[in-house]
Amino acid sequence: AQSVTQPDIHITVSEGASLELRCNYSYGATPYLFWYVQSPGQGLQLLLKYFSGDTLVQGIKGFEAEFKRSQSSFNLRKPSVHWSDAAEYFCAVGAFRRGSYIPTFGRGTSLIVHP
Amino acid sequence: DAGITQSPRYKITETGRQVTLMCHQTWSHSYMFWYRQDLGHGLRLIYYSAAADITDKGEVPDGYVVSRSKTENFPLTLESATRSQTSVYFCASTQDRSQLGYTFGSGTRLTVV
Repeated sequence: AQSVTQPDIHITVSEGASLELRCNYSYGATPYLFWYVQSPGQGLQLLLKYFSGDTLVQGIKGFEAEFKRSQSSFNLRKPSVHWSDAAEYFCAVGAFRRGSYIPTFGRGTSLIVHP
Repeated sequence: DAGITQSPRYKITETGRQVTLMCHQTWSHSYMFWYRQDLGHGLRLIYYSAAADITDKGEVPDGYVVSRSKTENFPLTLESATRSQTSVYFCASTQDRSQLGYTFGSGTRLTVV
């Protein structure tokens, strides 16, 4: 069965600093990988996704993620964090079932941004 | 309004009662999903549906029932609510296997007392 590990429960960065959120996955076939962001009291919003091709994926809000098959990782990065980036971030791996890729989510990483 | 709507936003119910959470989407997306979100567990899939009248169990289906008689609606029923079902429930939808349009609702916060 597929699984996702986000080893950091909380990450604290200063505004303007760079950010990297870690994600490791386990899946037997070619992984379909996603990063979602959740602001307080809101639903989840897709930041970016990887299906195939270029292993460096660009997303919305200045985020990018790099797929590394050898490390089973899909880490999320941003060169300069803004206070509005404070939120919960979820990595997910999609398993193919019933004609669609059903995401299995990690437990999330809470990003705290200091001014 | 267009989009995916969950109702109610907040619900308090008593142990043993039946409660139904509603999910409605206006895009005619084929796929719909129910997740629950709990601290320390992230989001866990309860049920999903590939089309009207097609539903499948997810990771944590026990104690829940779903139906999909119409494409746009995907209600989730707790047949006999328990305190362990206190959670935030999210509905989501997407049109196709590519996951391009995976959209979440704003959630229902359910408290079972």
